Amino acid sequence: DTEVTQTPKHLVMGMTNKKSLKCEQHMGHRAMYWYKQKAKKPPELMFVYSYEKLSINESVPSRFSPECPNSSLLNLHLHALQPEDSALYLCASSQGTSGAEETQYFGPGTRLLVL
Amino acid sequence: AQSVTQLGSHVSVSEGALVLLRCNYSSSVPPYLFWYVQYPNQGLQLLLKYTSAATLVKGINGFEAEFKKSETSFHLTKPSAHMSDAAEYFCAVSRSGNTGKLIFGQGTTLQVKP
Repeated sequence: DTEVTQTPKHLVMGMTNKKSLKCEQHMGHRAMYWYKQKAKKPPELMFVYSYEKLSINESVPSRFSPECPNSSLLNLHLHALQPEDSALYLCASSQGTSGAEETQYFGPGTRLLVL
Repeated sequence: AQSVTQLGSHVSVSEGALVLLRCNYSSSVPPYLFWYVQYPNQGLQLLLKYTSAATLVKGINGFEAEFKKSETSFHLTKPSAHMSDAAEYFCAVSRSGNTGKLIFGQGTTLQVKP
């Protein structure tokens, strides 16, 4: 089973709202990722968690706040977003971050619209 | 620094024709290479991967890719296109340093005509 689940599928929020995206995997993977994808573009890496510790932050604005409560769960807390943050947010997981363990499996994404 | 170039942002084939999507990479170390497919309004699905075992890699849905070190290429092929193959395809290379980072190409949109 290579399933990564994400909720919600769609989210509309105002610029003053606080919301959270959730990602879950039950494959025993120890690395989890958040990506942002604009239309007709490749995914852009935002954060990497390895063994529940934040290992990479790609200079993402502080209005995006990741959280990894346990090895199966990854959240992305959103606050005071801008309209340009509207995008598809993808979660991925992998066994690890070295060698062949790097194979990443993606969830279906959350389509976010900021008004 | 590693990079990926996908030649052709848009490829159009007739149903039943050969599909060839091109990917060239640059890497200072032996790479791990991946092809992903993305259907409209969905996430990325792993088609196949090269991790230094066999140079001809078979994936799902009848796709395969051949790793050619001399040409630094990892082109994706399928002998006979199906309407359901219409999607966005991304080639990616894993970045050295065991960070888990993937470097993606810009993507190729495959259109399949009846």
